[in-house]
Amino acid sequence: GAVVSQHPSWVICKSGTSVKIECRSLDFQATTMFWYRQFPKQSLMLMATSNEGSKATYEQGVEKDKFLINHASLTLSTLTVTSAHPEDSSFYICSALDRSTYEQYFGPGTRLTVT
Amino acid sequence: GDSVTQMEGPVTLSEEAFLTINCTYTATGYPSLFWYVQYPGEGLQLLLKATKADDKGSNKGFEATYRKETTSFHLEKGSVQVSDSAVYFCALSDPNTGANSKLTFGKGITLSVRP
Repeated sequence: GAVVSQHPSWVICKSGTSVKIECRSLDFQATTMFWYRQFPKQSLMLMATSNEGSKATYEQGVEKDKFLINHASLTLSTLTVTSAHPEDSSFYICSALDRSTYEQYFGPGTRLTVT
Repeated sequence: GDSVTQMEGPVTLSEEAFLTINCTYTATGYPSLFWYVQYPGEGLQLLLKATKADDKGSNKGFEATYRKETTSFHLEKGSVQVSDSAVYFCALSDPNTGANSKLTFGKGITLSVRP
């Protein structure tokens, strides 16, 4: 099946610094990728929809200037958490939409801890 | 807005026991319904889906039937195995989002199967 990778799998950073998370579709092209955030024992919350070659669409309540999304190619989307604070600590998950099947394939997630 | 409600967990069963995980939804229109599974250390994987009322999705011995009258999509398996231990998410996609296929997830439930 289709594979989506995320890098890094976990990261620890200091408050005030920025962190970039990569999401790659390894064996298919994804014009649309999604970024989710998951809190412990909570559901996945959609943060934004990333479209190749255009600006991301953010869900209500998500700060676009804090969570920068770049979808520069058909296989790569990046999420940059700018000026991170401890409340940004979470599990971030991406998915890529296979246009031929309209099925989403999920990455394994990235654990971000801000100290 | 759309929402998905799953039964509270965690669930612990003995091997070969019968499994039911309840899922109900609220949506306008006619959503597609999904069950995703997340094995330890891995990304979410699509387990099964149903796109219209009375459809039954099935995979790996798991089944779920799209019940429009009760707005439910309960997951069942007749005989669970230790390898079924994972987190299970019920989700729906809003047809109004078209090709972007935005997903709304339930909170997920952890299943542990004892030998």
